[in-house]
Parts: sequence; C-alpha cells; structure tokens
Amino acid sequence: AQKITQTQPGMFVQEKEAVTLDCTYDTSDQSYGLFWYKQPSSGEMIFLIYQGSYDEQNATEGRYSLNFQKARKSANLVISASQLGDSAMYFCAMSLSGGYQKVTFGTGTKLQVIP
Amino acid sequence: NAGVMQNPRHLVRRRGQEARLRCSPVKGHSHVYWYRQLPEEGLKFMVYLQKENIIDESGMPKERFSAEFPKEGPSILRIQQVVRGDSAAYFCASSPTLGATNEKLFFGSGTQLSVL
Repeated sequence: AQKITQTQPGMFVQEKEAVTLDCTYDTSDQSYGLFWYKQPSSGEMIFLIYQGSYDEQNATEGRYSLNFQKARKSANLVISASQLGDSAMYFCAMSLSGGYQKVTFGTGTKLQVIP
Repeated sequence: NAGVMQNPRHLVRRRGQEARLRCSPVKGHSHVYWYRQLPEEGLKFMVYLQKENIIDESGMPKERFSAEFPKEGPSILRIQQVVRGDSAAYFCASSPTLGATNEKLFFGSGTQLSVL
C-alpha cells in the first residue's frame, strides 16, 4: 500500500520569499505519479503540479516547482516569491499506474504568508 | 466549460436522517471518485464509479453508505441514518480517461456535511 507523509503541519513564510513544503512517499511500485494540490479557505482543491516517476527533470509550473528525489522518495514543493494568496493548505498526493486514480493524499501543510 | 459541480455546498442533518450529496462531473468525464475529508486531515478515498458501475468501494464504510452514478444524471453519495462522526467535507472528483498516472483529478468544491 502506498503512503504519503507531510511532516510540517504549519509553515510561515515572508511575502516574496521562497518556501519549501516537504513530502515523502512510500510505494513498491516503479510507476507512479506525484501531485500537489492547494486548498484555500474556501475549500476547493486546486491542482498545482505533477511529477511522473520516470520524469528525469523536475516539474515546474510558474512559481511552483517540484524537487523530486527518487532515491530518497521525496517530492518537495517549492513556491518562489510567495504571495498573500498562497496562504492555504497544501496536499501532496500519489497515484499508481495500471489503474484508476485512487489517489492517496498526505495530511497537508498549512502555509501562512506574512506581509 | 463547467467544472465538477457539487451540491449542496452545505448540508445540515440531524442524527438518524439521510444525507444525499450530488456530483455532476466535468462534461465528457465518465469516471467519478468520492473522497472524505475529516477536520485537520487529508482526503481519504471512498469510492470510484464509472457510468452505472461501482468499480472500487474499498474506502466506503460497509453500512449506511452507498453511491451510484446512473446513466443519466449526477452521481449520488447517500448516507443513511447519519451520525455525528459522518460530519466532514465530501469531495467529488472526475477524470476523463482511465489509468494514466499523470491524469489529474478535477475536484468539485465539496459538500460540508454537519450532523447535529
């Protein structure tokens, strides 16, 4: 069974600074996908970024990048130039190949951006 | 293009009543997932459905909970005889195809169920 671990319940970051949100995962599968979702206070889940297990380069989407270290089984999210609107819960998640999207989520990190 | 639509956004029920949560997937998506989020926790998989079929309900409690995705109309998550422990946010997600690991889920805004 797969597992996602997010060890930071809460984080603070100064506006315009960069922040790294940690995520480690555990699976015996060789083919899998890693996601980050943002959940603002309004509640909806917003897709941010995706990394495939066979992707050799780290994924980037605008101010978001995913620091993928396969040997360490980590998939940290880096947010550059933080903005007040980045204040939200952030969830790391994993899907396995060969089937449907029975995605496993971590417990989340609450990020607060300080002006 | 409408995304995943869930209603109601908020649902209040008294213990013992029934709760019916509705989800209309993105147009053209034939795969629907239901997740539950308890306070201060991540989302937990409940059930995966395709049109008229339940494919995986391994995350759903054996009693009182049921789900359907009929040929026509929205997917329904039904909770009978609700208890206080059922209070949670229930999210529906959809996807267009099957199996690709890079296929992101499209989430609705969730239904917050409160049981008094």
